[in-house]
This record gives sequence, C-alpha cells and structure tokens, in this order.
Amino acid sequence: EAGVAQSPRYKIIEKRQSVAFWCNPISGHATLYWYQQILGQGPKLLIQFQNNGVVDDSQLPKDRFSAERLKGVDSTLKIQPAKLEDSAVYLCASSLGESSGNTIYFGEGSWLTVV
Amino acid sequence: DAKTTQPPSMDCAEGRAANLPCNHSTISGNEYVYWYRQIHSQGPQYIIHGLKNNETNEMASLIITEDRKSSTLILPHATLRDTAVYYCIVRPLGAGNKLTFGGGTRVLVKP
Repeated sequence: EAGVAQSPRYKIIEKRQSVAFWCNPISGHATLYWYQQILGQGPKLLIQFQNNGVVDDSQLPKDRFSAERLKGVDSTLKIQPAKLEDSAVYLCASSLGESSGNTIYFGEGSWLTVV
Repeated sequence: DAKTTQPPSMDCAEGRAANLPCNHSTISGNEYVYWYRQIHSQGPQYIIHGLKNNETNEMASLIITEDRKSSTLILPHATLRDTAVYYCIVRPLGAGNKLTFGGGTRVLVKP
C-alpha cells in the first residue's frame, strides 16, 4: 500500500519569496493534516481537512499560510511571503476518518530552509 | 487534551528490551494512548495505540496501568535501527481530534 506522498523533499528559498508543498494522502483517506516541525520540537498541527472542508485551522498563520484540498484528495500548502522562522519540516498526514480510533499516517516531510 | 510526561532521553542496549515510560495522570476515560516514533530525517511512524487493555503488535507492546495514569512502551529486542525520538500522545475519542505532540523521549540504542 502506497504511503503519504509529499513533494518537494527539500526547498531553499529567500525570505519574502513564496513556496508551495504538495501532498497526496493514502488512497481512500478522508482526513488530511498538515503539521509544522521546527528543529528540536515535536510536530505542531497547522490545518486539518475532512474531505475538502477545513475542520481545524486555528494554528495556521493565515496572513502568510494557505492550504487547500479542492477535490478532497491531494492538498497544497503555500507560504507567501516566507519568513526566516518558517524554516521547518512540513509534514502531511492522513487517516481514514476523523475518529480518534483511526490511525494517522505521516509522509516523509518537506524540508524548508528560508535564508 | 491530557498532557503526557516522558523522560527526555534514555539509552538502551542492543538486543535487550527497551521500556519507555509515559505519565498521563490527567487522562480521562474517553482518551486513547498513542505511540509514535520519529527516526532522523523521517516523518513520525505509528507504533501502537490502546484505550484500556494491553496491546501487542509486530513492533511493540503497550502496557497501560489499571488506573490508566501511566503506560509503558516495550520494544522487545532493541536494534540500532530503533534509535529515534518516541512520542507518547493522549488523544480524545470522537471526531476532529488531532495528535498533539510533546517533546518525546530520545532513545539511543547502543551496541
């Protein structure tokens, strides 16, 4: 079974530039998550989708971050304009549904360095 | 969400059992205990989860105390590839309930 796919794996940009990350969840998974992981810390949830609707985006810095999941399958996370403190790993994850009995599976992450 | 407390780091000997403790004294009856690990440069990997009963799978065993205020993850025969950060997470039942990660335990398996 294919896992959660993410791209690009690595990205280096200058501050004030924009960047986009793509995620394809496990087939059939209705719930999709984006997490941010700063070096040395645990992952922090940015946004959670159920199909193509947003369930929780309370921790998403909406002045510069946006995410969409238009057809309820793959998703894109965008940062514009990027700041130095956005340097982190951006992890996409998915699960069959919202219930906490459903295991959440993570992708390998997209590593962002802002210089 | 109930908070978890884990030791920041521990060493284990290769081939021996590794016992990773986690305290979750404020856990409520409708919350699962989940364990994930994160090997360097990879995304978090699901290990096991449980509600009340002890659980075992091909990777590990999860022992939950009767009062559910603490749990132990057991890796029966640690290998060098088990070196990782291990996260114990309490997750409420029901819809829309995310995983909230703490600092985890950095486990180093030594030859």
